[in-house]
Amino acid sequence: QLQLEESGPGLVKPSETLTLTCNVSGGSISDSSFYWGWIRQPPGKVLEWIGTVFYTGSTYYNPSLRSRVTISVDTSRNSFSLKLRSVTAADTAMYYCSRHARLNYFDYWGQGTLLTVSP
Amino acid sequence: QSALTQPASLSGSPGQSITISCTGTSSDIGNQNLVSWYQQHPGKAPKLIIFEGTKRPSGVSHRFSASKSGNTASLTISGLQIDDESHYYCCSYAGGPMWVFGGGTQLTVL
Repeated sequence: QLQLEESGPGLVKPSETLTLTCNVSGGSISDSSFYWGWIRQPPGKVLEWIGTVFYTGSTYYNPSLRSRVTISVDTSRNSFSLKLRSVTAADTAMYYCSRHARLNYFDYWGQGTLLTVSP
Repeated sequence: QSALTQPASLSGSPGQSITISCTGTSSDIGNQNLVSWYQQHPGKAPKLIIFEGTKRPSGVSHRFSASKSGNTASLTISGLQIDDESHYYCCSYAGGPMWVFGGGTQLTVL
């Protein structure tokens, strides 16, 4: 059974860079059938797609976040990561990693990691 | 890209059927049939319940079904059960490429 697990600092200061990692188990991140995505959800608000990566390193980003986001993949560790630069309070959210099947739908999700941006 | 439009809340009684709408534009929902639907219980990750417009993943109840007409996708839950009380989100490919979610619908089973 595929499992995804996010890890991250929990708390970052404004203007800093956030780095989150998603560890994938029960399947290979190098499976060419699948992409891997990040989605976030501010408290009490809606889901927002952040970006998606393929095992080759090809990426797709939400235009609203593209200038601050980098998503990368580490096939040796079977994981992928999200870097978000110059964070503000508006970036406070639950961050989920997910398998982006057929670049079409999100079929497996991690449990989420809460990121708070505060001085 | 704006979020897809869903009713903020709906309610129904056990055994009834309800339909949640998800309205987009000709650039997203209206352009293809790649809508997916997710159920999210409080404090939990979203769970995929419909993909590629009308398909159910293995293990999802047949009480969940979906359709599309023009720029609007719909999720129907028949034979409502208490456990169906949850948030429901639609999602669509919106070109670009990018993917956009709906604003979410809180379903209450009275």
